[in-house]
Amino acid sequence: GIQVEQSPPDLILQEGANSTLRCNFSDSVNNLQWFHQNPWGQLINLFYIPSGTKQNGRLSATTVATERYSLLYISSSQTTDSGVYFCAGGRSGNTPLVFGKGTRLSVIA
Amino acid sequence: GAVVSQHPSRVICKSGTSVKIECRSLDFQATTMFWYRQFPKKSLMLMATSNEGSKATYEQGVEKDKFLINHASLTLSTLTVTSAHPEDSSFYICSARDSSPYEQFFGPGTRLTVL
Repeated sequence: GIQVEQSPPDLILQEGANSTLRCNFSDSVNNLQWFHQNPWGQLINLFYIPSGTKQNGRLSATTVATERYSLLYISSSQTTDSGVYFCAGGRSGNTPLVFGKGTRLSVIA
Repeated sequence: GAVVSQHPSRVICKSGTSVKIECRSLDFQATTMFWYRQFPKKSLMLMATSNEGSKATYEQGVEKDKFLINHASLTLSTLTVTSAHPEDSSFYICSARDSSPYEQFFGPGTRLTVL
């Protein structure tokens, strides 16, 4: 099956700093999502981005499908951005998502 | 975005009892739902794919007789943990997939503690 690698595993940022999270896939995916898991365990959908670039406020994501990776950019980080960020991908829309191990982000004031 | 609910959010039960967890898609119809399990500080592991009107597809290593899945309607899937034991204690999360695009939306999760 597909393997998903996320980096870095842990990240500590000063409030206001920018960061880039990376997700590599062992095989082509046609379905790719980024999530933020809050302290209560809820997975919040950030982006559905099988290819291309999207932006939502201080967050943006880029997927280069031909090179099997995706990047999540967080700008001007805030303490509320803390939590675990997961990327997940699937071969097609009909297949389940396979999750990476996540990046644990701590933003300190 | 679409909303998926789960009930209960937290359950504590005695060893040997069965626990049922409900997953509902509130504002869309989901022919396919997924059940995941997450241990503390770990990633989500897929347990099974639930298809409306047919048998669930279980991942390797997941006991189908222990984790009974029923997807009786386009908006409801249930996971029943039968004869629960302490090692079944975990965070169970369901998701439902929209038809197009194939974006998945997750429920808030159910924290199961078996004493």
